[in-house]
Amino acid sequence: NAGVMQNPRHLVRRRGQEARLRCSPMKGHSHVYWYRQLPEEGLKFMVYLQKENIIDESGMPKERFSAEFPKEGPSILRIQQVVRGDSAAYFCASSRTGSYGYTFGSGTRLTVV
Amino acid sequence: DAKTTQPNSMESNEEEPVHLPCNHSTISGTDYIHWYRQLPSQGPEYVIHGLTSNVNNRMASLAIAEDRKSSTLILHRATLRDAAVYYCILIQGAQKLVFGQGTRLTINP
Repeated sequence: NAGVMQNPRHLVRRRGQEARLRCSPMKGHSHVYWYRQLPEEGLKFMVYLQKENIIDESGMPKERFSAEFPKEGPSILRIQQVVRGDSAAYFCASSRTGSYGYTFGSGTRLTVV
Repeated sequence: DAKTTQPNSMESNEEEPVHLPCNHSTISGTDYIHWYRQLPSQGPEYVIHGLTSNVNNRMASLAIAEDRKSSTLILHRATLRDAAVYYCILIQGAQKLVFGQGTRLTINP
């Protein structure tokens, strides 16, 4: 039973490019959460999705960031026109019920040069 | 979100017990107490959770005060692999996890 799979593990983008981060939840999990961790800082909630729906996007920056969790396939966090301040580790978590038992992936480390 | 307070850092020796405290004086009756930890360069990992009674699992024990305003995560015999940041989080129903600064645990060989 594979855990939460995130890819790529490392991603390097030049300023102005787009970054696409993928998250495949655990089998049977329909709740997905994205978090961002800046260097030497804590984890900050970004968005909570349930299949095809955004439930809570209170932590998402208003511009350039979007997330989706289609009926088929992984959840995608998309960052358009990346800037150096977007450099961070992005973690995805999934849950079966949305109330406990969250499993995290190993993260994608985005570096913007 | 109900707030928790943890010490910034703690230090212990290998093979000794570790008691990590957490204060949550504004906890509500339906808040569950969850503990997660984050090892270096990894995603957070679930450790344990409870509501009112003390809980044990293969990783740790959770001792919850009778008034539920504080709790303690107990690692019975720390190893070097237990060095991590430990987070105490209150969750009510279907909510997102909100991480504070946590306690950075250092284990000395």
